[in-house]
Amino acid sequence: AQTVTQSQPEMSVQEAETVTLSCTYDTSENNYYLFWYKQPPSRQMILVIRQEAYKQQNATENRFSVNFQKAAKSFSLKISDSQLGDTAMYFCAFMKHDAGNMLTFGGGTRLMVKP
Amino acid sequence: ETGVTQTPRHLVMGMTNKKSLKCEQHLGHNAMYWYKQSAKKPLELMFVYNFKEQTENNSVPSRFSPECPNSSHLFLHLHTLQPEDSALYLCASSQDLAGGLTDIQYFGAGTRLSVL
Repeated sequence: AQTVTQSQPEMSVQEAETVTLSCTYDTSENNYYLFWYKQPPSRQMILVIRQEAYKQQNATENRFSVNFQKAAKSFSLKISDSQLGDTAMYFCAFMKHDAGNMLTFGGGTRLMVKP
Repeated sequence: ETGVTQTPRHLVMGMTNKKSLKCEQHLGHNAMYWYKQSAKKPLELMFVYNFKEQTENNSVPSRFSPECPNSSHLFLHLHTLQPEDSALYLCASSQDLAGGLTDIQYFGAGTRLSVL
């Protein structure tokens, strides 16, 4: 079974600065997918960024980027130019290839962006 | 509005009550999911339906009874719950169960359930 670990329960960052959220996972699979979801106070989970393990190039979506280290089984999320609207819970998730869309989530990191 | 609507937003019930949670998606998806989100625990997948057929039951107690009358609607019927069942219950939908990078799950805002 796969496990996903987010070692930082809470983090804070000043507005306009950069913050990195950590995620590690444990799997014996060679091909899989990784995701970061954001859950703001409104509670609606929103996909932030996604990455296929088969591709070495790190995914980027505007101010959000990942540092994917396959050998280390690490998938950290970097948020640049943090905005107040980035305040949320962030969940890292893992999906095996050909797994029928089954996600395994980490425990989450609560990020507070301070003005 | 992501197209997945859950009602009610909040629910308080006694252990002897029977209640139902409702999820509706307007995205034309075929797969729907129930998750349980408890404090300080990862999201737990409870049930999965694809084309109205249940494809996954993650060892959920029988006091939780799902129903999927069509691909747009998903219910979670609750009866004789325990206080430890208090949690945020999230519904999600996806095009189907292909997974990968394109078959993304879209979530509702959840129902916050308190069992007294």
